[in-house]
Amino acid sequence: AQSVAQPEDQVNVAEGNPLTVKCTYSVSGNPYLFWYVQYPNRGLQFLLKYITGDNLVKGSYGFEAEFNKSQTSFHLKKPSALVSDSALYFCAVRAPNAGNNRKLIWGLGTSLAVNP
Amino acid sequence: SQTIHQWPATLVQPVGSPLSLECTVEGTSNPNLYWYRQAAGRGLQLLFYSVGIGQISSEVPQNLSASRPQDRQFILSSKKLLLSDSGFYLCAWSGTGVIPLHFGNGTRLTVT
Repeated sequence: AQSVAQPEDQVNVAEGNPLTVKCTYSVSGNPYLFWYVQYPNRGLQFLLKYITGDNLVKGSYGFEAEFNKSQTSFHLKKPSALVSDSALYFCAVRAPNAGNNRKLIWGLGTSLAVNP
Repeated sequence: SQTIHQWPATLVQPVGSPLSLECTVEGTSNPNLYWYRQAAGRGLQLLFYSVGIGQISSEVPQNLSASRPQDRQFILSSKKLLLSDSGFYLCAWSGTGVIPLHFGNGTRLTVT
């Protein structure tokens, strides 16, 4: 069965330190991968996506993610965390044969807390 | 640029009352439209999906229904709310292809 896992419910990091939010997936073929961020009582905002090509993808607000096919992972990273990065982060995956976002598979989210 | 509007932001309704949440998209045509519910501030559940006017796909059986009377309008409804309908409802749109979802700011529904 296709699935997405975000193994950490919560990640705590000090401001200025690098951060990593983990995501692993189980999808047949070459997947499309996405990261979204959600601030309290708001909708989700798209951060970045991987479709093909360079394994390191750069996105909004200084975030980047690395696609690792052998480890079936797509971890979100930022070199220097800001307090304003504190939010809920969602990883999502879409199988290559899925015609549209109806078949998007969501992780359960990771709450990131950046401490001043 | 494209924008998505969703209202109201919060709603408190008694059990058994009707519901109507509205979502509109501007700046694009023939979008794919989605209604999601987010429970306990975490997992997202796709409720309805629409590829065009009058074309609605229901992803899970429930007490809710959706309609798309116009190309860029998506409505979530219920005739009689249940306590279990409480949650955070999110509308989203996307284009065709590998296009990310764009979400509205959500409606926090509390059924009392």
